[in-house]
Amino acid sequence: KNQVEQSPQSLIILEGKNCTLQCNYTVSPFSNLRWYKQDTGRGPVSLTIMTFSENTKSNGRYTATLDADTKQSSLHITASQLSDSASYICVVSGSLSGGYNKLIFGAGTRLAVHP
Amino acid sequence: EAGVTQFPSHSVIEKGQTVTLRCDPISGHDNLYWYRRVMGKEIKFLLHFVKESKQDESGMPNNRFLAERTGGTYSTLKVQPAELEDSGVYFCASSPERGMREQYFGPGTRLTVT
Repeated sequence: KNQVEQSPQSLIILEGKNCTLQCNYTVSPFSNLRWYKQDTGRGPVSLTIMTFSENTKSNGRYTATLDADTKQSSLHITASQLSDSASYICVVSGSLSGGYNKLIFGAGTRLAVHP
Repeated sequence: EAGVTQFPSHSVIEKGQTVTLRCDPISGHDNLYWYRRVMGKEIKFLLHFVKESKQDESGMPNNRFLAERTGGTYSTLKVQPAELEDSGVYFCASSPERGMREQYFGPGTRLTVT
């Protein structure tokens, strides 16, 4: 069964601190892995997209890693800001015929950054 | 460039009624997707349009749900008759082409069935 599991479910950190969110997946065939940020009341916004050949990708203070062998990914947030408070969703794309992708979502990690 | 828009932002209806959700993708995007998040669960795929054709509708829960994309522009998702378990947030996303190009999500429509 194709699944994406994230941990922790929720996290509280102080402003300026770093944190790392985890994602394990069992999706096959695998095409790419994405991290999305979802603010309350808004749709998900893409942070990074990685194929199986990419080990790491950064987007400002966000750095995602991917280990395709162990099927694990992490999202590291550096020097957190209050605006980082959101849900972070790991999404794995399975490759379909015709070149299309089907997205499988994790339940997300809800991050709260406190002053 | 305008993003993906969805209407209404929130809808409250009674069980047995009909509701129609609308999605306007980013102009020029051939691919349009519908997703749903029910309370406490992860977002799940419903269906995928390529222009006006349904490429994949394997995620549609049952025949009470009908999606259309006439003319390959905006799309509607009709729920008739609505049941309590249909409550959730319905997201629409669009992308310019197939492959790994990212999908741009709308803000979602929160549907509450009472």
